[in-house]
Amino acid sequence: QLQLQESGPGLVKPSETLSLTCTVSDGSIGSSNYYWGWIRQPPGKGLEWIATESYSGNTYYNPSLKSRVTISVDTSSNQFSLKVRSVTAADTAVYYCARRVAGRPFEYWGQGTLVTVSS
Amino acid sequence: EIVLTQSPGTLSLSPGERATLSCRASQNVDSSYLAWYQQKPGQAPSLLIYGASSRATGIPDRFSGSGSGTDFTLTISRLEPEDFAVYYCQQFGSSPRTFGQGTKVEIK
Repeated sequence: QLQLQESGPGLVKPSETLSLTCTVSDGSIGSSNYYWGWIRQPPGKGLEWIATESYSGNTYYNPSLKSRVTISVDTSSNQFSLKVRSVTAADTAVYYCARRVAGRPFEYWGQGTLVTVSS
Repeated sequence: EIVLTQSPGTLSLSPGERATLSCRASQNVDSSYLAWYQQKPGQAPSLLIYGASSRATGIPDRFSGSGSGTDFTLTISRLEPEDFAVYYCQQFGSSPRTFGQGTKVEIK
């Protein structure tokens, strides 16, 4: 059974870079047909898709965040990561990593990690 | 950007009752790319329905999805205690992928 686990600092200062890693338990990070993504949820609010990277290395970003975010997959470590630059309080959220198959929605999600932006 | 508007915002029902949740899109959505998720407090969303009407693995048949174009519906035929949660629709056929704002199904 696939498990995804987010890790990273829970507190980031304004204007700094938020860095998160998602560890994939079953080694499928290098397999074809999978897409790896990040979604976030501000406290008490709804879900916002951030970015996705495909098995072939294509990346897709939410235009509202594209100038500040980078997603990358590291098959050698069974991990993928997210960086959000120049954070503000509006970036405070629970960040989820997730996996989907081509043509399907995100089926497997990590438990989420709360990142607070505050000085 | 496709905006998904869910209604009602909150649905107050009793166990055993039928729940009907609506998701309306600002533009046509290919039904192949319409999904529904359930989220319980403190948990990640869990996939219920994909392709507008196909149940994900392990989802009981009291959950059903329907619709096309701009109007989609999630129906829970008889609410079980574990079904009280927040439900989100999502379209992933157009970028950016977007979610509705959610419908909370609460115990009356």
